[in-house]
Amino acid sequence: DAKTTQPPSMDCAEGRAANLPCNHSTISGNEYVYWYRQIHSQGPQYIIHGLKNNETNEMASLIITEDRKSSTLILPHATLRDTAVYYCIVRVGEYGNKLVFGAGTILRVKS
Amino acid sequence: NAGVMQNPRHLVRRRGQEARLRCSPMKGHSHVYWYRQLPEEGLKFMVYLQKENIIDESGMPKERFSAEFPKEGPSILRIQQVVRGDSAAYFCASSPRDMPYEQYFGPGTRLTVT
Repeated sequence: DAKTTQPPSMDCAEGRAANLPCNHSTISGNEYVYWYRQIHSQGPQYIIHGLKNNETNEMASLIITEDRKSSTLILPHATLRDTAVYYCIVRVGEYGNKLVFGAGTILRVKS
Repeated sequence: NAGVMQNPRHLVRRRGQEARLRCSPMKGHSHVYWYRQLPEEGLKFMVYLQKENIIDESGMPKERFSAEFPKEGPSILRIQQVVRGDSAAYFCASSPRDMPYEQYFGPGTRLTVT
């Protein structure tokens, strides 16, 4: 399994970009990088995923380094409602479907 | 398009009783997953099911826990003879067949064992 390392917590000012890093130095060539978040006591929410190209959707951008050993999730204009635990996941299960959640990064957006 | 639905949202059981948690996947999704989140801990995978089949149950406790996803109706996570340590939030997720990693989670069922 490709293990991920994320900082335990980060603060961000409201309206500024939040950049959440993730290290996955043992990632293999066919493993995707997925990001989910969990707002307090709610079910996790899928954000974005990528293989090697940078990706953008309505929620966020994902920047993956050329060697694929690390990535950064970018929330371009963080709001108070983006306060959550953010999980970077690269593991695939034996059947390719289970998600293995680590401790994640607690992002606190402050006004 | 309704999201993943779980019921009940809160369930209180006495030790030794049975708990049944239900999950209706999003329309068109044929894959269902159950995860458990113990208080102050992270999410742990329990089981992955497709219609009438258990695909991966590597995260299920060996005893008292079972899951099914019948041809018709919701997926059911069943916990027999509950103990206090079963108190947790149980989340169900579903995904379409062609995008298995884009899992959409329900609001969870919070089980309290007294």
